[in-house]
Amino acid sequence: AQKVTQAQTEISVVEKEDVTLDCVYETRDTTYYLFWYKQPPSGELVFLIRRNSFDEQNEISGRYSWNFQKSTSSFNFTITASQVVDSAVYFCALRGDSGGSNYKLTFGKGTLLTVNP
Amino acid sequence: GAVVSQHPSRVICKSGTSVKIECRSLDFQATTMFWYRQFPKQSLMLMATSNEGSKATYEQGVEKDKFLINHASLTLSTLTVTSAHPEDSSFYICSASNGQGAWAFFGQGTRLTVV
Repeated sequence: AQKVTQAQTEISVVEKEDVTLDCVYETRDTTYYLFWYKQPPSGELVFLIRRNSFDEQNEISGRYSWNFQKSTSSFNFTITASQVVDSAVYFCALRGDSGGSNYKLTFGKGTLLTVNP
Repeated sequence: GAVVSQHPSRVICKSGTSVKIECRSLDFQATTMFWYRQFPKQSLMLMATSNEGSKATYEQGVEKDKFLINHASLTLSTLTVTSAHPEDSSFYICSASNGQGAWAFFGQGTRLTVV
């Protein structure tokens, strides 16, 4: 069974603050993929990043960075110098590669980020 | 990235009627499509997985006779909510995969309101 835990239900910050969204996952698969998606109020899911289990390099994309720690089964997401436009629900997701999972994504419950001006 | 188009984006229907939602992959062949439902302030819950040309596989607790899924081609899957009731009001979103599985592209979602 796969599980994704986003312990932070809601986070509120003031613009320009840095914020880290936590994601902890569970899987028995040796190969798997981790994702982060942003869901603004419009509802669409905006893809942010995909990371496979063999690539533990951290990644930076502009103000976004991701810290993948296989030893602690975590894939945390940091927004530097947050902006009001970053306000959204952020989902962490996991896709196993055991074949039986049929490539479906397991989502965490999401973290609502509110960035106040 | 690949584009998945979902239509309609919003629909309001009367209780007891049926509603069809379309999900199209515009620039790749989607061998597998997934349908999710999201209630307000909740996460996405997988309803069913469909492989082109095969019957859909439904998650536990999802009524297959109520949520009809058709995946007749490599670019189109449809979800029909039959005899809709107010409790079916939700956000429905599809996802398409190219078979290699590593990537999942999402449609824009459909907000269904049953009155």
